[in-house]
Amino acid sequence: GQSLEQPSEVTAVEGAIVQINCTYQTSGFYGLSWYQQHDGGAPTFLSYNGLDGLEETGRFSSFLSRSDSYGYLLLQELQMKDSASYFCAVNSGYSTLTFGKGTMLLVSP
Amino acid sequence: ETGVTQSPTHLIKTRGQQVTLRCSSQSGHNTVSWYQQALGQGPQFIFQYYREEENGRGNFPPRFSGLQFPNYSSELNVNALELDDSALYLCASSLGTGGGGGAYNEQFFGPGTRLTVL
Repeated sequence: GQSLEQPSEVTAVEGAIVQINCTYQTSGFYGLSWYQQHDGGAPTFLSYNGLDGLEETGRFSSFLSRSDSYGYLLLQELQMKDSASYFCAVNSGYSTLTFGKGTMLLVSP
Repeated sequence: ETGVTQSPTHLIKTRGQQVTLRCSSQSGHNTVSWYQQALGQGPQFIFQYYREEENGRGNFPPRFSGLQFPNYSSELNVNALELDDSALYLCASSLGTGGGGGAYNEQFFGPGTRLTVL
């Protein structure tokens, strides 16, 4: 079976740094993706880690450790518009994604 | 370059009815995946189509079926609707090769169809 664990909610203030952790147990694993979804909107791709290590894309970074079945998304210089749900998702082959339940990030002034 | 579009945006059906949801892929994409997202949950993989053939299926019963057309647009059909089918249905298009394994092709999601079953 497949299971992904991530915190249900994280709160932070503007300008701060926040880290959203994700641990997974899957029968097939090729990489870990992160998606952002604003309320009622389409999930949008943030980053993908196919190999261990850190990937940086602007204010967002993502990390993967295959040996620990663990990854995280790091958001820096938080802005109000970053308030959204964030999902980690395992690529289990054929680019099919198994998603976690999501972490709601609330950014306050 | 046009994005992924879905229709309708909202739909209300009663238990036992059938529904068809539609998705137009992003220009140049040949692969469509469908996901069901219940309230407060992450999207759950239903199935994927690559060049008009089913290319993988999640843990959904046979009453969930799909089609992909030569222009790579796609339909999701759900028969004998149940109350638990109420959810946001998302399609995602990508440029795939149809092969398995670890090659990852970024998926672009549409805005979804909100289905309510009464």
